Amino acid sequence: GAVVSQHPSRVICKSGTSVKIECRSLDFQATTMFWYRQFPKQSLMLMATSNEGSKATYEQGVEKDKFLINHASLTLSTLTVTSAHPEDSSFYICSARSSTGFEQYFGPGTRLTVT
Amino acid sequence: QKEVEQNSGPLSVPEGAIASLNCTYSDRGSQSFFWYRQYSGKSPELIMSIYSNGDKEDGRFTAQLNKASQYVSLLIRDSQPSDSATYLCADAGANAGKSTFGDGTTLTVKP
Repeated sequence: GAVVSQHPSRVICKSGTSVKIECRSLDFQATTMFWYRQFPKQSLMLMATSNEGSKATYEQGVEKDKFLINHASLTLSTLTVTSAHPEDSSFYICSARSSTGFEQYFGPGTRLTVT
Repeated sequence: QKEVEQNSGPLSVPEGAIASLNCTYSDRGSQSFFWYRQYSGKSPELIMSIYSNGDKEDGRFTAQLNKASQYVSLLIRDSQPSDSATYLCADAGANAGKSTFGDGTTLTVKP
């Protein structure tokens, strides 16, 4: 099956700093990538959808200036959490979809802790 | 009303039994449906996709789609403790854009 990687898997940062999370599709070209956030024992929450070479489309209530998304190539998308605060601590998960199918393949997730 | 609805459970079945997970959707234009499994603390993993009315079998898993009734189900035969997880139902949407996920059903298989 299709493989999606994420890096880092776990990060701890101080309040006010920025953190970048990378999402890569390893064996297919991802025309669309999605970024989700999940708090403990809660549902997946879609944050934004990004298409290669285009600006990301953010879901209602998600601050685009705080969560910067760049989908610069068909295999790489990045999420930067700017000026992170403790309430941004969460499990961030990316997924990727190719142009030939509708399935989403998820990365392993990044656990962010802001102290 | 959520676009994709699942019973939150928890659903508990004994080892070896059949687990039945159900999902309804509201978008009549949806064409593609998926089941994902999410273990606690991990990201979702695609286990089944179904596009046509009827049944689709893959090992111990069978997905069923009924577009007229707008429901999708997942049957897990010979349930194992390792099947204990949250199962997410999703559709791809009428324009194959972003998927809409249900909140998930938590399954526990007791030895």
